Amino acid sequence: QQQVKQSPQSLIVQKGGISIINCAYENTAFDYFPWYQQFPGKGPALLIAIRPDVSEKKEGRFTISFNKSAKQFSLHIMDSQPGDSATYFCAASLPGYALNFGKGTSLLVTP
Amino acid sequence: SAVISQKPSRDICQRGTSLTIQCQVDSQVTMMFWYRQQPGQSLTLIATANQGSEATYESGFVIDKFPISRPNLTFSTLTVSNMSPEDSSIYLCSVGGGRLGYTFGSGTRLTVV
Repeated sequence: QQQVKQSPQSLIVQKGGISIINCAYENTAFDYFPWYQQFPGKGPALLIAIRPDVSEKKEGRFTISFNKSAKQFSLHIMDSQPGDSATYFCAASLPGYALNFGKGTSLLVTP
Repeated sequence: SAVISQKPSRDICQRGTSLTIQCQVDSQVTMMFWYRQQPGQSLTLIATANQGSEATYESGFVIDKFPISRPNLTFSTLTVSNMSPEDSSIYLCSVGGGRLGYTFGSGTRLTVV
């Protein structure tokens, strides 16, 4: 059973646009919600993460929005660049347990 | 956060053979996690390895196929046994789960021919 559902599966955005990827979860005990970026042939790299005690976290062009009541969180990439083209994974975890990953979103930013 | 050294980074193996992947952490950690990422797919948890006890395997993964050792708090190995082409994947170890989040090894890209 997929504990974290991610959408869309793929996304095409023009350079300078906003990329938005959404995730939903069921387990209200999850307390850590990271986003990972993965380029072909590389391992996943932590992009940004949030805990449920805040509703938004911003790091540069990347923002996580967290809606605890809706059990949803999203990644916004502002001013998207071709170099942002990669696969993005959301995840969630219980304290001290392994991460549960979404199925991933393939982002293509066109010039 | 912890730093993980994972070896080998890649390997090409013959079907029917076994490969052991090693992860060395620069600090003591209670739990280590092993993941598999099949081509074009997400990361799937294989097992959780605690020092001093048997690893806990996720549904679909068995100890005979993926034996794990955890001899101390800084080291773990995952063996992929009796390999077939379907085992071709990236295998990753990870530590964490506390306030500092999670760290991943650089991954082992396995190709079975």
